[in-house]
Amino acid sequence: AQKVTQAQTEISVVEKEDVTLDCVYETRDTTYYLFWYKQPPSGELVFLIRRNSFDEQNEISGRYSWNFQKSTSSFNFTITASQVVDSAVYFCALSEIGGTSYGKLTFGQGTILTVHP
Amino acid sequence: DGGITQSPKYLFRKEGQNVTLSCEQNLNHDAMYWYRQDPGQGLRLIYYSQIVNDFQKGDIAEGYSVSREKKESFPLTVTSAQKNPTAFYLCASSIWGAGYGYTFGSGTRLTVV
Repeated sequence: AQKVTQAQTEISVVEKEDVTLDCVYETRDTTYYLFWYKQPPSGELVFLIRRNSFDEQNEISGRYSWNFQKSTSSFNFTITASQVVDSAVYFCALSEIGGTSYGKLTFGQGTILTVHP
Repeated sequence: DGGITQSPKYLFRKEGQNVTLSCEQNLNHDAMYWYRQDPGQGLRLIYYSQIVNDFQKGDIAEGYSVSREKKESFPLTVTSAQKNPTAFYLCASSIWGAGYGYTFGSGTRLTVV
């Protein structure tokens, strides 16, 4: 069965520190998709990135970067020079092609990130 | 602007009462979903619907019911059979299929008093 694990329940950093949020997944599919979402205090989940299983290139978007490694089944998310506005809950999610999971996202438990001024 | 509207934002219910949470989307998405969020437990799928007049149970459907009479609307009823209904409820929609991300509403916080 598919599974997504975010082992870090809570992370606390001081502004301008770099921080990495870990995500490890399990799947039997060879084709799948991985996502990161941000949930600020307002409650609505905001899409950050989608990556398919055939594209292991790392991605950078401003202060955000993602490291996808199929060999370790990980899709980690790094925020460089963190800011107070980055404080949120971050979710990693998996979408599979086959089986009963088709069309559904499986979410990790989420990591609460607090950035202190 | 296209999006998902959940209402109300806050809802209080007395024990033993049913309550219905509204979710409307204007994204022309076929699929809609309801999730429950509790501290430390991430998002758990309650029900989902691939198409109008069809819906499927998720991982924690007991004590909940849904309907999908229109493409735009997917209301969730929390019944008195739900033993611990106090939670944050999120509605989402997407194109049906693998690899499509969800668009989420802003959620409804339900408190049983």
